[in-house]
Amino acid sequence: GQNIDQPTEMTATEGAIVQINCTYQTSGFNGLFWYQQHAGEAPTFLSYNVLDGLEEKGRFSSFLSRSKGYSYLLLKELQMKDSASYLCAVMRDDKIIFGKGTRLHILP
Amino acid sequence: DTGVSQDPRHKITKRGQNVTFRCDPISEHNRLYWYRQTLGQGPEFLTYFQNEAQLEKSRLLSDRFSAERPKGSFSTLEIQRTEQGDSAMYLCASSLDGGAEAFFGQGTRLTVV
Repeated sequence: GQNIDQPTEMTATEGAIVQINCTYQTSGFNGLFWYQQHAGEAPTFLSYNVLDGLEEKGRFSSFLSRSKGYSYLLLKELQMKDSASYLCAVMRDDKIIFGKGTRLHILP
Repeated sequence: DTGVSQDPRHKITKRGQNVTFRCDPISEHNRLYWYRQTLGQGPEFLTYFQNEAQLEKSRLLSDRFSAERPKGSFSTLEIQRTEQGDSAMYLCASSLDGGAEAFFGQGTRLTVV
């Protein structure tokens, strides 16, 4: 089976840094995705980690530790448009399974 | 190609009616997923295809749900005898292959009254 846990909601201030954690327990692990989803819109791809370590892409970075079943998404220099849900998803065998998502609120 | 497209965008139906949704994936993508999403939740896996072969169907899905991808291109998701609990956003996604990022369509919002 699989279990993907992430905080339900987080709040941060514009210009700050926020880290969204995700822990997972799954068989057949083949990588971890992060998606962003604005209210009423489709999820959009942010990152994909297969190997341990940090992947940086502009203001967003994603980290993976396979031995700990742990990932985080780091968002720097927060902007109001970053207010959205952030979905952690694992590639189990060869299908993508999502967590419940973390709703991030940005305060001015 | 403009991405994954889904039709219709919205559907309101009476309880007990059958509905069918269509998904057109990105043209060269051979992997196609269907998900269901309710408010405040992440996308829930329903089923997926590799070309025309349906590889897995979620155990959470009742027999009222069926999906096809007859020629390995577009896919349809049918719900028979709809119930109010079926009200949700139905999302389709496609990827080049397993292990690759999936691109989502805008979804079909189903309301069962």
